[in-house]
Amino acid sequence: EVQLVESGGGLVQPGGSLRVSCVASGFTFSNNWMTWVRQAPGKGLERVATIRPDGSDQYYVDSVRGRFTISRDNAKNSLYLEMNSLRVDDTAVYYCTGAVTGRVCWGQGTLVSVSS
Amino acid sequence: DIQMTQSPSTLSASVGDRVTITCRASQSFNKYLAWYQQKPGKAPKLLVYETSSLERGVPSRFSGSGSGTEFTLSISSLQPDDFATYYCQQYDSLWTFGQGTKVEIK
Repeated sequence: EVQLVESGGGLVQPGGSLRVSCVASGFTFSNNWMTWVRQAPGKGLERVATIRPDGSDQYYVDSVRGRFTISRDNAKNSLYLEMNSLRVDDTAVYYCTGAVTGRVCWGQGTLVSVSS
Repeated sequence: DIQMTQSPSTLSASVGDRVTITCRASQSFNKYLAWYQQKPGKAPKLLVYETSSLERGVPSRFSGSGSGTEFTLSISSLQPDDFATYYCQQYDSLWTFGQGTKVEIK
């Protein structure tokens, strides 16, 4: 069974930094593109960042480019999102996701709150 | 990026109604279109993947269809548990989502 388990969310002040993590199991992590998706309170779903299976390329939504960094450690079956210069409008639940054998799988999400 | 336009944004219906939600894409893509149901405070639940494949455990009253730039999710007979928000997603190229459809009780 595919499992994605996020951690690392919390409350941070504007301008601060936070790293969220995701541990994957139940599939060959090193073969899969992985994506962070977020959902702000009362809003829709938004792709934030995507990374190739070998980590060689990363793709970001315009609003986070230059502030967020997606990375992975295939030896640890882990995905990361380093978030710097956080803004109030980055407040959201952040989901670790990936397409496995044609199906999109999601973690339970981790809440990042940016507030003074 | 492929833009997904979902309609309607809100749908009022009664138990037993047949409902249809539509997503239109800004450009054609292959079969990688998914539909989700989301309830407040919960992660999205996958209903349909690859346009028309029903996820394990999802009731058969849900179905997906379409191709090219137009895709639909249908619920053949709306049940009380189905009142929720639904999203489409293309995952053919750098994923994008529709804006969501809230299915409300009429």
